[in-house]
Amino acid sequence: DAMVIQNPRYQVTQFGKPVTLSCSQTLNHNVMYWYQQKSSQAPKLLFHYYDKDFNNEADTPDNFQSRRPNTSFCFLDIRSPGLGDAAMYLCATSPRKYQETQYFGPGTRLLVL
Amino acid sequence: QQQVKQSPQSLIVQKGGISIINCAYENTAFDYFPWYQQFPGKGPALLIAIRPDVSEKKEGRFTISFNKSAKQFSLHIMDSQPGDSATYFCAASMGYSGAGSYQLTFGKGTKLSVIP
Repeated sequence: DAMVIQNPRYQVTQFGKPVTLSCSQTLNHNVMYWYQQKSSQAPKLLFHYYDKDFNNEADTPDNFQSRRPNTSFCFLDIRSPGLGDAAMYLCATSPRKYQETQYFGPGTRLLVL
Repeated sequence: QQQVKQSPQSLIVQKGGISIINCAYENTAFDYFPWYQQFPGKGPALLIAIRPDVSEKKEGRFTISFNKSAKQFSLHIMDSQPGDSATYFCAASMGYSGAGSYQLTFGKGTKLSVIP
């Protein structure tokens, strides 16, 4: 089945230790999004890619970076995780420009010790 | 102005009953209103969506009612089933935001529990 896959599903890291979360998709969608969702809160958009064009939200901390080496894969790098970065990180895709529907992966839950 | 306010935060409904979740927005530039369903351990999945040019959209047991003048929209789940127990998010988008994307503004979610 075509889908959005996120690995790992659970990630534990130490305060200040860099961590990378990954997202892959078999949908061949052009647009990929990264969201942060804290407990009992709405998902918050961090950034997105249209093809290889990277677009950062204005309030996304510099501590968060992203890479998209090809259409299928997208990575979220947290350079120096703080306790406040503990959250569920959701990857989503959208087929192309002018398409509003977003397809979400299952998320990666990040714990910072 | 970018907020979407969702209520209630949690909802308990008996099997067979009607579940109603409400959302309100301020920004009149919003023109696309989806509802997402999220089960524990899963990502949100699109359930149903509406545009402001219609007042109601129905898909199976799920109906969106939209009141443009009041800037409110709601999700109705008829004949609620235990399998509907999940967190529901409303969202809004103000159209193409450039750079290939549509930005969604989410409500905070409603945890629905349908008891047998």
